[in-house]
Amino acid sequence: DSGVTQTPKHLITATGQRVTLRCSPRSGDLSVYWYQQSLDQGLQFLIQYYNGEERAKGNILERFSAQQFPDLHSELNLSSLELGDSALYFCASSVRGQGETGANVLTFGAGSRLTVL
Amino acid sequence: AQSVTQLGSHVSVSEGALVLLRCNYSSSVPPYLFWYVQYPNQGLQLLLKYTTGATLVKGINGFEAEFKKSETSFHLTKPSAHMSDAAEYFCAVSYNQGGKLIFGQGTELSVKP
Repeated sequence: DSGVTQTPKHLITATGQRVTLRCSPRSGDLSVYWYQQSLDQGLQFLIQYYNGEERAKGNILERFSAQQFPDLHSELNLSSLELGDSALYFCASSVRGQGETGANVLTFGAGSRLTVL
Repeated sequence: AQSVTQLGSHVSVSEGALVLLRCNYSSSVPPYLFWYVQYPNQGLQLLLKYTTGATLVKGINGFEAEFKKSETSFHLTKPSAHMSDAAEYFCAVSYNQGGKLIFGQGTELSVKP
């Protein structure tokens, strides 16, 4: 158990629908990162939050959004789902955030597997 | 753009043989470097990391990696492969820009009995 909790583990839905993935970071970690893993794109960084604020944005589609709440858990919202959105979505957390010196070790959750039919 | 290249999407070795997984990064500024392992149906687990100092880094499960600035490489090795090493391995870099990691495409390691 890495200490990063992701729910749900598996999700099957239809095109056009909306889903929410949830992540609870490891105790003491302030940063949350979302990654998408697919066979053709590999591991793609989506977005990072630090202590409730968006800090970095990657290859996140406009149909996707995220937020980090005061208790530091985060949610990734995926809307108007397409077949190509089927992937494994990982959440990771770390102590450090943007601008802090030192290596930033990310601890990953087990992932949420999304299947869009 | 900063990137990470892992040479070989699939590597197959025999049990007991040397494991060598290759990773090169593109940057004029040495980054922080990481190797993560992903077992089937699991998340990514940190194997080892390079920050500063000694260029030979030892990690868990007998793995080690050497940072070679002149070659912009951070190859992962293990002297003797075990069946339990079969997994996907990811090299990653961080440039302290928001702290995010940029991952390579991954190398799937198979270990034959």
